[in-house]
Amino acid sequence: AQSVTQLDSQVPVFEEAPVELRCNYSSSVSVYLFWYVQYPNQGLQLLLKYLSGSTLVKGINGFEAEFNKSQTSFHLRKPSVHISDTAEYFCAVSTSSNTGKLIFGQGTTLQVKP
Amino acid sequence: KAGVTQTPRYLIKTRGQQVTLSCSPISGHRSVSWYQQTPGQGLQFLFEYFSETQRNKGNFPGRFSGRQFSNSRSEMNVSTLELGDSALYLCASSLDGTKAYEQYFGPGTRLTVT
Repeated sequence: AQSVTQLDSQVPVFEEAPVELRCNYSSSVSVYLFWYVQYPNQGLQLLLKYLSGSTLVKGINGFEAEFNKSQTSFHLRKPSVHISDTAEYFCAVSTSSNTGKLIFGQGTTLQVKP
Repeated sequence: KAGVTQTPRYLIKTRGQQVTLSCSPISGHRSVSWYQQTPGQGLQFLFEYFSETQRNKGNFPGRFSGRQFSNSRSEMNVSTLELGDSALYLCASSLDGTKAYEQYFGPGTRLTVT
């Protein structure tokens, strides 16, 4: 079975500062990794994904994440945040035998302050 | 391309009633997955349908059921509603569960059980 732990429930940060949202996973098999963002009263939007290959993946809105197999982590980063990045962020995993089943972390609320 | 659509967006039901939620996937997508989102439990996988067959199921009671039609549209049904079923129900579609792994989410149906 797979599990996902997002290490911070809330991350406050000032506008234009860098941010890192941490995600660790547990799995006995290879996984696919995803970050999604959810704005209030909306569904989830895919930010980026890691399937294979380069461990540094770039996504939309200036976000990037690095897959670290030895530390079973997939942390999300942005060098300079904007007020509009205020939202809830979810890390998720799936496997090759269960691609239609995402296992999500509990979410991290990013609060960008002016 | 139009995104994933879900109807209705909001629903209020009484304990003991049943409810049916609808999801129309992105055109060409054959896999539809359903998730329940609550403040306490977070995002939890309900089930996945592919080519009209349930391919995967989460740990929910039998009151939760679903189906998929030949045009890939999906419905989920909850019978004998309980207060704890109040949640945001999200559906997501993907191109082909075995070859394209990212899921695209709809805006969700907010179900309130009174």
